Amino acid sequence: QQQVKQSPQSLIVQKGGISIINCAYENTAFDYFPWYQQFPGKGPALLIAIRPDVSEKKEGRFTISFNKSAKQFSLHIMDSQPGDSATYFCAASMALSNFGNEKLTFGTGTRLTIIP
Amino acid sequence: DTEVTQTPKHLVMGMTNKKSLKCEQHMGHRAMYWYKQKAKKPPELMFVYSYEKLSINESVPSRFSPECPNSSLLNLHLHALQPEDSALYLCASSQRTSGVGNEQFFGPGTRLTVL
Repeated sequence: QQQVKQSPQSLIVQKGGISIINCAYENTAFDYFPWYQQFPGKGPALLIAIRPDVSEKKEGRFTISFNKSAKQFSLHIMDSQPGDSATYFCAASMALSNFGNEKLTFGTGTRLTIIP
Repeated sequence: DTEVTQTPKHLVMGMTNKKSLKCEQHMGHRAMYWYKQKAKKPPELMFVYSYEKLSINESVPSRFSPECPNSSLLNLHLHALQPEDSALYLCASSQRTSGVGNEQFFGPGTRLTVL
């Protein structure tokens, strides 16, 4: 119930195309869904995040689509560029308690390669 | 200052050595985290400190010992490690310790190799 399933494991997209990465979860108590981008040898960087009360959030070329009833969310990268080549992790979290910390449950990651 | 810094960047140690990893943030965040990341895997949570107190220990072996000397600093003391402990160790911090949208900001990590 704590898992977040992510697909595909790897993705190759042509420059200018749309990259789509999907995630699914089981635990309906999750209430925050961030996406992280990680370049080799670097720490993950927060890219964009969404709460379950909205169905879509857009920041520049990056869009999260959220389907609460299906318990799925996805990342769309429009006009994909070679600089977007990285590993992307979806994640989900819930407040452990009113005073507790939020524990991120990560997906397994997608290695994205943008080819010229 | 909007970043989490970690030192050293790389560390090679023998199984009998004692070493420490250091993490620092000056964003006024009150929660700090240690993660372990193996190649091609997502980060795995190890410890969470909330207001300088240990609030989560994910059943981490005692050869890893965290310490939070103040609200800006987080250390991870290492002793008697095994080769399988070789990984990227990531520190993160977040502003709030509860509520929705508690963004975690990660440092660049320390690449640890245990010989």
